[in-house]
Amino acid sequence: EIVLTQSPATLSVSPGEGATLSCRASQSVNSNLAWFQQMPGQAPRLLISGASTRATGFPARFSASGSGTEFTLTISSLQSEDFAVYYCQQYYDWPLTFGGGTKVEIK
Amino acid sequence: QVQLRESGPGLVKTSETLSLTCAVSGGSISPYYWSWIRQTPEKGLEWIGFIFYSGTTHYNPSLKSRVTMSVDTYNDQLSLRLTSVTAADTAVYHCARHAGAMTAFDKWGPGTVVTVSS
Repeated sequence: EIVLTQSPATLSVSPGEGATLSCRASQSVNSNLAWFQQMPGQAPRLLISGASTRATGFPARFSASGSGTEFTLTISSLQSEDFAVYYCQQYYDWPLTFGGGTKVEIK
Repeated sequence: QVQLRESGPGLVKTSETLSLTCAVSGGSISPYYWSWIRQTPEKGLEWIGFIFYSGTTHYNPSLKSRVTMSVDTYNDQLSLRLTSVTAADTAVYHCARHAGAMTAFDKWGPGTVVTVSS
């Protein structure tokens, strides 16, 4: 099973600042990686697919990159609605697996 | 705009069978894949398995012996059965849609809370 390790577990950021989240895979997943945003009490929402393609409805301040085993999600100039938990997920191999999440909280 | 809504008993007794339904509205079951995913604070997100609209299934090996998924294309509903439940199966259960077997989940239901207790 492919293990995804996200870091940091918690990121404290002031509104207007940027944030960089990391996701590392235990083996290559090529570009078969997605990022999800989850607000409290809500379902995860697809943010990024194919490692770098932003989903409809998300602004350009969200960007992502990486391939193989190292992936990054960058949020420039955090807005109040961006404080949430972010998960990465690989769909390269079975079983599909998720990272443990990074909580982006207000500093 | 497609919407997914999970439903089922909120409480299941230990050793019994958990049965959940996911109703799809505003869109069709076909030609998509549909996964069940559960979430706990301790273990995070765990993929349970998927079912294709045609009925083809693929389950997580960790749960395969206890899981059965089915699809009702006439009523646009999906079902999940998990047998011999224990407290470790207590979780929020989500259904989610994906366009291909190996593509991202592009739509999720809000989830339904299931507690397993004796």
